[in-house]
Amino acid sequence: GQNIDQPTEMTATEGAIVQINCTYQTSGFNGLFWYQQHAGEAPTFLSYNVLDGLEEKGRFSSFLSRSKGYSYLLLKELQMKDSASYLCAVMDSNYQLIWGAGTKLIIKP
Amino acid sequence: GAVVSQHPSWVICKSGTSVKIECRSLDFQATTMFWYRQFPKQSLMLMATSNEGSKATYEQGVEKDKFLINHASLTLSTLTVTSAHPEDSSFYICSARGAGGEQETQYFGPGTRLLVL
Repeated sequence: GQNIDQPTEMTATEGAIVQINCTYQTSGFNGLFWYQQHAGEAPTFLSYNVLDGLEEKGRFSSFLSRSKGYSYLLLKELQMKDSASYLCAVMDSNYQLIWGAGTKLIIKP
Repeated sequence: GAVVSQHPSWVICKSGTSVKIECRSLDFQATTMFWYRQFPKQSLMLMATSNEGSKATYEQGVEKDKFLINHASLTLSTLTVTSAHPEDSSFYICSARGAGGEQETQYFGPGTRLLVL
């Protein structure tokens, strides 16, 4: 079956760095997406990785290792507004997005 | 990024009535639109995928006669919840993908909260 695993919840301190991991097992791979979802709102797109390596976008970076079925989202200089759920999603061979359950990130002052 | 709108943002209706939700891509042509449902503290659940001009493909367990989807143009898809019941109360979110190919990013609308009394 297809499976996306990410931690249920993480806590970090304002100003610090946090890494949210995502491992996947899917039928085929056409890219991995990270989305941010604040409580009560729809997801917003953060990043897309299809090749191995690190993609940096400001305070957020996303890493992919296809051979290991592994990705992480790195958030630097955490701000209180970064408190949200972070969703990992993999596009399988049928170009369908397979969603993880999301990681709830709690930022403490 | 691309902009997707949804209307209405909130709906409160009586049991047995039908509710229509609109999803529009504002600055790009969406050949494919997706409808999701999300219950509190749960992950997104894909309900159906619709391609412009063709019938929607429903996920297993989603009743196509209850959740009517129409993707009549490259910028508009509608979801109609027919004969709504309290268990249909949920957060309904659409997303749209452009015509650049299947690996294009999905952009989400802001969601519609449905409460059926």
